[in-house]
Amino acid sequence: KAGVTQTPRYLIKTRGQQVTLSCSPISGHRSVSWYQQTPGQGLQFLFEYFSETQRNKGNFPGRFSGRQFSNSRSEMNVSTLELGDSALYLCASSSGLASRTDTQYFGPGTRLTVL
Amino acid sequence: QKEVEQNSGPLSVPEGAIASLNCTYSDRGSQSFFWYRQYSGKSPELIMFIYSNGDKEDGRFTAQLNKASQYVSLLIRDSQPSDSATYLCAVTGTASKLTFGTGTRLQVTL
Repeated sequence: KAGVTQTPRYLIKTRGQQVTLSCSPISGHRSVSWYQQTPGQGLQFLFEYFSETQRNKGNFPGRFSGRQFSNSRSEMNVSTLELGDSALYLCASSSGLASRTDTQYFGPGTRLTVL
Repeated sequence: QKEVEQNSGPLSVPEGAIASLNCTYSDRGSQSFFWYRQYSGKSPELIMFIYSNGDKEDGRFTAQLNKASQYVSLLIRDSQPSDSATYLCAVTGTASKLTFGTGTRLQVTL
């Protein structure tokens, strides 16, 4: 099975711009979760989409949004970029079933740099 | 108090030794516990998960869970230089979001 893919792998933007990141989950997986990783804060949960609906949400401002399509692919959007948004953005895919064994597999990440 | 705590390290062990990585969590409702390995510049890679008290073995790796003490650990036997990485402990509760610790950096020396 192909793994989780994310595009683009690298992005450079300037403050005030917006950005859209894409994630394609493992075939058959219906849940996509997004995480932000920074040296100072570590890995932090942004949100989870399951069957095109946001199921869980972390503590990030409304500038961070996402969506999921019928084929389970997901996009994350960040508007009005700030310097502090520079990070590695990771998506993780899982079956999304309510099970203790449901496991998240991570994509390679998108490295976003805001200048 | 952080929800998931790990010693940041670095933890230095000689090649062939056992590396012991520890993690504590604050939410007694936590249900599943995961260990991920992350090499510098790469994304986290799942090593194993555990959800029942006791030990679970997978090759050179053993995860140990003690829910009463809210403690989970990962043992790496016969440590190799290729095991040098940051090890992330993560927990889930009733929601499927992963809450991560800040990770322990492991260095396996020759």
